[in-house]
Amino acid sequence: GENVEQHPSTLSVQEGDSAVIKCTYSDSASNYFPWYKQELGKRPQLIIDIRSNVGEKKDQRIAVTLNKTAKHFSLHITETQPEDSAVYFCAIRRRDTGNQFYFGTGTSLTVIP
Amino acid sequence: EPEVTQTPSHQVTQMGQEVILRCVPISNHLYFYWYRQILGQKVEFLVSFYNNEISEKSEIFDDQFSVERPDGSNFTLKIRSTKLEDSAMYFCASSSSSYNEQFFGPGTRLTVL
Repeated sequence: GENVEQHPSTLSVQEGDSAVIKCTYSDSASNYFPWYKQELGKRPQLIIDIRSNVGEKKDQRIAVTLNKTAKHFSLHITETQPEDSAVYFCAIRRRDTGNQFYFGTGTSLTVIP
Repeated sequence: EPEVTQTPSHQVTQMGQEVILRCVPISNHLYFYWYRQILGQKVEFLVSFYNNEISEKSEIFDDQFSVERPDGSNFTLKIRSTKLEDSAMYFCASSSSSYNEQFFGPGTRLTVL
């Protein structure tokens, strides 16, 4: 399957600072890039997504940027709060393989009050 | 807001036994998925289902696995003869179209002894 690399695997930031998580992929046929937040023992929940015809999308403190040429996309969280602490997964969907998502390995974010 | 539901939340079974995991997708959704997440690892695609048939499956989804939509609301995953390595969290997801976000259920934690 598609290889999606996600970095870093763990990230600790002080409350109020920014956090950035990056994912890289190999197949240029990828066309949809969601980010999911998973709190301990709970379901993954979509927090933001971007499609291949857009370079950046923002929703309040959360933004995603996509560089199709370099085949990477990043999640940016500004003014972090303790409740942002969770595992974040990026995912991609390839145009030619239909609906399945390929997930990254996850980033455990800890926001220190 | 409508949500995907799954039962049971936790299933313990003996190796070699059959298990059926149940999901109720969001009512107007047409695309259904099963994913699994081994403890501490990334979410992995198993199968997608549309129009009463499997549309895609991964190499994980071998002959021991099957899916069914027995009625208008339920979507089930059956593992015929469980193995120790089947122990994982199994997530059901649904989407209204192949291009829209996938909504995840709360998961069923399967423990094979």
